[in-house]
Amino acid sequence: DVKVTQSSRYLVKRTGEKVFLECVQDMDHENMFWYRQDPGLGLRLIYFSYDVKMKEKGDIPEGYSVSREKKERFSLILESASTNQTSMYLCASSRVLRGEQFFGPGTRLTVL
Amino acid sequence: GNSVTQMEGPVTLSEEAFLTINCTYTATGYPSLFWYVQYPGEGLQLLLKATKADDKGSNKGFEATYRKETTSFHLEKGSVQVSDSAVYFCALSELIQGAQKLVFGQGTRLTINP
Repeated sequence: DVKVTQSSRYLVKRTGEKVFLECVQDMDHENMFWYRQDPGLGLRLIYFSYDVKMKEKGDIPEGYSVSREKKERFSLILESASTNQTSMYLCASSRVLRGEQFFGPGTRLTVL
Repeated sequence: GNSVTQMEGPVTLSEEAFLTINCTYTATGYPSLFWYVQYPGEGLQLLLKATKADDKGSNKGFEATYRKETTSFHLEKGSVQVSDSAVYFCALSELIQGAQKLVFGQGTRLTINP
């Protein structure tokens, strides 16, 4: 079975903290994605990576950065967490130029 | 830019009812179209897809047909079950910077009562 795993299901952080969300896929996929999911807004793309060490901004990159040092791992970093970053964060991966994406279970982040 | 619009939710139906969730899109070119489902506490799973006009995607009793003339991809099921209660997302793919990005609708929460 294909698998995308995320480091935490639930996370609570304080304003100003640096937060790392980790994502690992075991399918040897080239592309990886980070989304945030908010009620009534669907999923919005934060960043994506089409290859190791390559990254591209999505629709809402402000306040976030990413790192992809290995093909299977894609990290989302909140340099200084703020309350408006409280959300569900979903990681996904796909083969190159294939539309179908495989999703992890999500991390529900609360910033106090 | 490309966009996807889904019918407003939440939708509540009785078991064995007929389901339609509307989805329309705006896109340049001919994107692939997808329906994803999110069960409580889980990530998204691909439910079905269609890659070109008039294609019909189907899975688990759900169907959707890629209608280019009406730019629609409505999700249907003839007889829903309690286990179909979930949030459903319509999406299209667009090529950007060497990757196929998905553009999602806002999601429709479906509740099926026994």
